[in-house]
Amino acid sequence: GAVVSQHPSWVICKSGTSVKIECRSLDFQATTMFWYRQFPKQSLMLMATSNEGSKATYEQGVEKDKFLINHASLTLSTLTVTSAHPEDSSFYICSARQKFFRNSNQPQHFGDGTRLSIL
Amino acid sequence: AQRVTQPEKLLSVFKGAPVELKCNYSYSGSPELFWYVQYSRQRLQLLLRHISRESIKGFTADLNKGETSFHLKKPFAQEEDSAMYYCALLSGNTGKLIFGQGTTLQVKP
Repeated sequence: GAVVSQHPSWVICKSGTSVKIECRSLDFQATTMFWYRQFPKQSLMLMATSNEGSKATYEQGVEKDKFLINHASLTLSTLTVTSAHPEDSSFYICSARQKFFRNSNQPQHFGDGTRLSIL
Repeated sequence: AQRVTQPEKLLSVFKGAPVELKCNYSYSGSPELFWYVQYSRQRLQLLLRHISRESIKGFTADLNKGETSFHLKKPFAQEEDSAMYYCALLSGNTGKLIFGQGTTLQVKP
C-alpha cells in the first residue's frame, strides 16, 4: 500500500515552454504533498509544501511564479515549471503524506521522480 | 536550528567489511530520525526509523541523544548495498523531512 505515482518520468523540452508534473497518491488520501529538487549526487532540497485546497508554502529562495503548485484534490498535486530554462533542468521528486501520518510507518511516501531536461 | 549532517560524501568498502555511515543532527525537541536509501535509478525508500528499533537488510541504527547521532551500521557489507543513503529528521508537526547531504556507499567485490 501507500503508493505514489509521478508522471512523466522523463521530459525533454525546448527553452521557454512550460512543463507540468503530476503526483498522485494511488491508494490513500494525501492531505499534504511535498515537492523536492535533486541535483546529481546531491541531497533533496525541499521546494514547497502543498496542502489540499490551499495555497502552497514555498521554501526560501524558491520562486512561486516559476514553480506553480496546485493541490486540487486529496490524491493529486501538480508542479508546473513555467517558461523553463536550462538552469531548471533537474530531478524533481514528490512525496505524499497521509492524513494521520503519525500512525503510519512512514512520514512521507515518495514518487519515482521526474527528470527534466531543458534544451 | 534544525540540521542533519552526513560528513562523508562517499564511503567505499570491500564486500564483507563492516560499514558505518555517520549522521549527526541538531534539533531542540525530541527527534524522530530515519534512514532512507536510493538505489540507482529507483525511488527513495525508507530503510529504518529509530522508533521501531528494527533491523532491515542487516542494517541497524541507534539514536544517541548524548552525541546527537544516528549512525547506520552493518557488520558485513554486500555488493547490493551500494546506493545513496540519506539520514533524515522529521520536523515537529509539519511533517517536513530535513535531509542530510547523503552518503554514497560503494561496496567493491
